[in-house]
Amino acid sequence: GAGVSQSPRYKVAKRGQDVALRCDPISGHVSLFWYQQALGQGPEFLTYFQNEAQLDKSGLPSDRFFAERPEGSVSTLKIQRTQQEDSAVYLCASSLRRDRTDTQYFGPGTRLTVL
Amino acid sequence: DAKTTQPPSMDCAEGRAANLPCNHSTISGNEYVYWYRQIHSQGPQYIIHGLKNNETNEMASLIITEDRKSSTLILPHATLRDTAVYYCIVVIQGAQKLVFGQGTRLTINP
Repeated sequence: GAGVSQSPRYKVAKRGQDVALRCDPISGHVSLFWYQQALGQGPEFLTYFQNEAQLDKSGLPSDRFFAERPEGSVSTLKIQRTQQEDSAVYLCASSLRRDRTDTQYFGPGTRLTVL
Repeated sequence: DAKTTQPPSMDCAEGRAANLPCNHSTISGNEYVYWYRQIHSQGPQYIIHGLKNNETNEMASLIITEDRKSSTLILPHATLRDTAVYYCIVVIQGAQKLVFGQGTRLTINP
């Protein structure tokens, strides 16, 4: 079946622009995660949704970062007034269950470059 | 979550077994050991996980020491497609987010 998809795959933004990154999780998956991966580093947790509820946003680096999942399926990560340090790969993952630690299925990521 | 320590890089010949070590000396009784890998330009991929017993699936085997302070991921017959960064992650039971470290960059040589 279809895996996690993300769009766009690549995004170039000028410093100060707003960007929106989309994630389509696997159908029926309850949990959705966003991670940020800087060059040469492991992914770092940003935020977590269970259906439409954002249960953990402790990893969002600043109030310029905002995520939503209004209908409990597709999610959007929005970054306002982008800065050069926001350049990274943004990974989305989904998992089926919410009552235990479950395998996370990752999308290919969106590579954001801020000039 | 307990911290993990992995070697930054390893090499293995194609067709041989690749043994990737991970130290997690502060692991507690309700923490699982998970392994993910990330092939270049792709998202991480789940491999295997375990609590205290050894585990095997179609991709790999996971050997956890009796004291649970370390583990080894074994790829029995490595292929060139196994070249990737391998992450050992300790996850408390019921937790949702994954805390990745630096991982081990495994290179399979022809």
